[in-house]
Amino acid sequence: SQQGEEDPQALSIQEGENATMNCSYKTSINNLQWYRQNSGRGLVHLILIRSNEREKHSGRLRVTLDTSKKSSSLLITASRAADTASYFCATDAMNTGFQKLVFGTGTRLLVSP
Amino acid sequence: DVKVTQSSRYLVKRTGEKVFLECVQDMDHENMFWYRQDPGLGLRLIYFSYDVKMKEKGDIPEGYSVSREKKERFSLILESASTNQTSMYLCASSLLFGDSYEQYFGPGTRLTVT
Repeated sequence: SQQGEEDPQALSIQEGENATMNCSYKTSINNLQWYRQNSGRGLVHLILIRSNEREKHSGRLRVTLDTSKKSSSLLITASRAADTASYFCATDAMNTGFQKLVFGTGTRLLVSP
Repeated sequence: DVKVTQSSRYLVKRTGEKVFLECVQDMDHENMFWYRQDPGLGLRLIYFSYDVKMKEKGDIPEGYSVSREKKERFSLILESASTNQTSMYLCASSLLFGDSYEQYFGPGTRLTVT
């Protein structure tokens, strides 16, 4: 029941450049979250955007949400080598009766010095 | 600082062994989750629990069982380990009531079944 699909699967950029990752999902949602996973570690929550919001910022992160297209994007500005990680979107589908999150397959970001 | 811990970072077991993966959280969260993560497949939910002694099947429960005897501890059990259960196992927790359902993850257990 994979809901989120990230695009691209992998992204390689230089330090200082911006990185954009996209997420598409299938059903109506209450909110969408983005998580980061450093290699071989657990996931860390980055940012949440609610279904009635269109854009949200947190530091160098900018998230947009288009519920009509069932899609979201995560922009990391002025990237650093430390941003190298996998990024996952996660959605909580409405009417599931429980607070489950459905995760996408992730985007692997490599930021080279 | 919130914390979810898992009993092992790396584990190697033989086919047919019974395997216990332990997860402990110190945030007094009601919800706890077990996922497995495989390349190209993302995170898939195995089981979750919203209260002590309560459990619900996730998307891929076959070959697994869980136990939640105390609020802070959620165990994943592989009754008879098989090679196709070689994977990264991630535990997470979250509040039952709230408006974000943000999940907090442990560091993961990389299980190899030979």
